[in-house]
Amino acid sequence: NAGVTQTPKFQVLKTGQSMTLQCAQDMNHEYMSWYRQDPGMGLRLIHYSVGAGITDQGEVPNGYNVSRSTTEDFPLRLLSAAPSQTSVYFCASSYWTGAEQYFGPGTRLTVT
Amino acid sequence: QQQVKQSPQSLIVQKGGISIINCAYENTAFDYFPWYQQFPGKGPALLIAIRPDVSEKKEGRFTISFNKSAKQFSLHIMDSQPGDSATYFCAASMSNAGNMLTFGGGTRLMVKP
Repeated sequence: NAGVTQTPKFQVLKTGQSMTLQCAQDMNHEYMSWYRQDPGMGLRLIHYSVGAGITDQGEVPNGYNVSRSTTEDFPLRLLSAAPSQTSVYFCASSYWTGAEQYFGPGTRLTVT
Repeated sequence: QQQVKQSPQSLIVQKGGISIINCAYENTAFDYFPWYQQFPGKGPALLIAIRPDVSEKKEGRFTISFNKSAKQFSLHIMDSQPGDSATYFCAASMSNAGNMLTFGGGTRLMVKP
């Protein structure tokens, strides 16, 4: 099993550009989520999904969109990048919301 | 507003020493308290977790101590090794609110040889 994979590993965007961060898992997990990690802030939940076709907002959803068309994939879209979105983004999955979460390797995003 | 406060932000310990990281929470509805370990360039991974019906849980050199009345819990790493050097995150969740994890700010641990 590859576990949770994320692409790209690094990305630099200019303010106002849009992009999609990809996340895929091959463990047949129902629950998937996106976090951002900033120094001293820990990990903050952006959006999550409890199954294909179901998504909901987390703690810091503004400026991000998600969709879940399949169990395996959970892409995160930045609609119009802002410098405040400079961060490291982690995707995670688990069998259910209360189970151990498996994290991907992260995407380091810089917005100039 | 951080619902889970973690301290210290950084910690340096000599090899063989005890590393102690503390977390405090405000919401008494939290009922699951995991610790995650993150190595540089990697995603976090579950290290150990506890529920509030026990005051202590031990797995190898790692122990969680839980004080429900004080709303605090801590991670103790006994006989700390250079390979334990990583960032540690405490977290908390509520089973009656979707089990979403709320993370502390993280502690960067360095174990000196």
